[in-house]
This record gives sequence, C-alpha cells and structure tokens, in this order.
Amino acid sequence: TQLLEQSPQFLSIQEGENLTVYCNSSSVFSSLQWYRQEPGEGPVLLVTVVTGGEVKKLKRLTFQFGDARKDSSLHITAAQPGDTGLYLCAGFNSGNTPLVFGKGTRLSVIA
Amino acid sequence: DAGITQSPRHKVTETGTPVTLRCHQTENHRYMYWYRQDPGHGLRLIHYSYGVKDTDKGEVSDGYSVSRSKTEDFLLTLESATSSQTSVYFCAIKGTTNEKLFFGSGTQLSVL
Repeated sequence: TQLLEQSPQFLSIQEGENLTVYCNSSSVFSSLQWYRQEPGEGPVLLVTVVTGGEVKKLKRLTFQFGDARKDSSLHITAAQPGDTGLYLCAGFNSGNTPLVFGKGTRLSVIA
Repeated sequence: DAGITQSPRHKVTETGTPVTLRCHQTENHRYMYWYRQDPGHGLRLIHYSYGVKDTDKGEVSDGYSVSRSKTEDFLLTLESATSSQTSVYFCAIKGTTNEKLFFGSGTQLSVL
C-alpha cells in the first residue's frame, strides 16, 4: 500500500511569515498533486507536478517535486489570512489506480 | 467550475436505516469516486467507478455499496447505517487517468 505522509499536521503562523509543508513517501509516483480545501467545501486543485526536480510557482506558493519523485514540498511566502485552509497532497501512478491522498496539513494564518 | 452535484447536503439518520447518497455530474467524465473525510484520517477512498457498471473497492469499502447505471450518476448506499459511518462524504470526478479531480461540496451525514 502506498502512503503519503504530510508534515506538519497543524501549523499556525502570523501574517507575513513564510512556511513549508512536506509530503513524503517511500514509493515513487508518476505525478503528484496539491489541493487546498476550505471549510464546508471540497478540495480544489492547486498544481500538478510531473517531472522529478520540477518547481512550479503559483503567485506566493512554490511547489517542488523531489528528484526521485517520492516527495514534494509546498512553500508559501509572506502568508496571508486567505491562505488558511487544509492542504492535501495526492500521488498518482497509472491507469485506473486512484489517487493516494496524504492526511493533510491544516494551516491557520493569523492577521 | 465542474458540474458536480451531491445530494443531500446534510442528512441525519438512525442506526440501522438504509441511506443513499447521490453524485450527479454534467461533464460526461469517465471516472467517479466516493471518499469519506474524518478528522485525523484525511480523505479515504470508499469506492470508485471507471465506467458505467464498472466499479471497484477502495480502502474503506466495508458497509458501503455503489451503483453506476449511467455515466452521470454514482450512488453510494449504506445498507444499514452505523454510528461509525458518521462523516463528511465527498464525490469526485475525473476525465482521464492523469487529470485532476473535481470534488463536490460534500454531504454531512450523521448517524444517531
């Protein structure tokens, strides 16, 4: 069974601080996705990374896929209250195999 | 936004009663999924479908059954609800194997 471990599980920071959350596995994935979920809603995709070592930026969010395609990180620069939410990573292999989700990192950014 | 609707949005039921949750999509996507989300457990896959009448079990399928008689609808049934099935249930759809998932807004189910 493939597992994705996310850390930290909870994170509470002040507005303007930087933070990094991690998504680690002992398994190789062909791609990895990051989702953000707000209260009362379903997760929404932020980014997909496919190539080992790939870095993608989405405004103040930077996503990196590990060289061996077993891990990923999400770095947020100058966090804002609007970044508050549950961040989920999900790994994909191939074919009909469903995505494997991590348990998520719950981020709270305090103004 | 992807056309995906879950119904009902909220339901309270009693232990031992049958419950059916519905997921409806207007995207003609091939893949449909049912997840449950609980504190400390994240999103766990219950069942999924890769086509009409083609379904498979996820990691927490015990006590649940599904049916997909047409592309647009994926039903999740709790044959005899238990308190351990109190959860938020999410449906998700996907067009091709390596595309992103689109999630519904969830169903909050309470089994008393």
